[in-house]
Amino acid sequence: GENVEQHPSTLSVQEGDSAVIKCTYSDSASNYFPWYKQELGKRPQLIIDIRSNVGEKKDQRIAVTLNKTAKHFSLHITETQPEDSAVYFCAAAQGAQKLVFGQGTRLTINP
Amino acid sequence: DTAVSQTPKYLVTQMGNDKSIKCEQNLGHDTMYWYKQDSKKFLKIMFSYNNKELIINETVPNRFSPKSPDKAHLNLHINSLELGDSAVYFCASSHGQGRGGYTFGSGTRLTVV
Repeated sequence: GENVEQHPSTLSVQEGDSAVIKCTYSDSASNYFPWYKQELGKRPQLIIDIRSNVGEKKDQRIAVTLNKTAKHFSLHITETQPEDSAVYFCAAAQGAQKLVFGQGTRLTINP
Repeated sequence: DTAVSQTPKYLVTQMGNDKSIKCEQNLGHDTMYWYKQDSKKFLKIMFSYNNKELIINETVPNRFSPKSPDKAHLNLHINSLELGDSAVYFCASSHGQGRGGYTFGSGTRLTVV
């Protein structure tokens, strides 16, 4: 089955700097890669996703890149703000069913 | 107007009791899921139903029994609760088949004492 590894487990950056979170997956059949943000005590919320026929996708300050050959994908957040502080999860699935999540990255933005 | 709603939000109960968590979605999705989030925040799938049919049943003790009366509802019943069952349980739904991501419910924090 699919296995997703996520790094780092914690990340602290200065406000305004960029943050990068990386994930690798094991199942070459996986073709859907979403990222979720979970604030303290809240539900995980989808912030961006990418499918295997695309190498990069951007939405304002958030971008995701996918390298299918190497089986890794990354989340990039630019111009970080205090409200970006949260736990971020990557996930992988074949056809968006049975998402397998990474272990999560606790991102802290320091003012 | 909540898209995926779970009840209760908090559940504190004694070991050995039986409890249920309910989930409903009004998004018209055909697939629903139960995930368990442990104290280290790891999200692990437990069950998935597609149009009332069980399609994913991970290695979960048979004390956990999901029930889907229709495609908008997925409930989770837990028998003989144990201390290790303490966690946050999230319901989620999706179109499945690659047509979009999950929408999660607000979670049920289960504490077994």
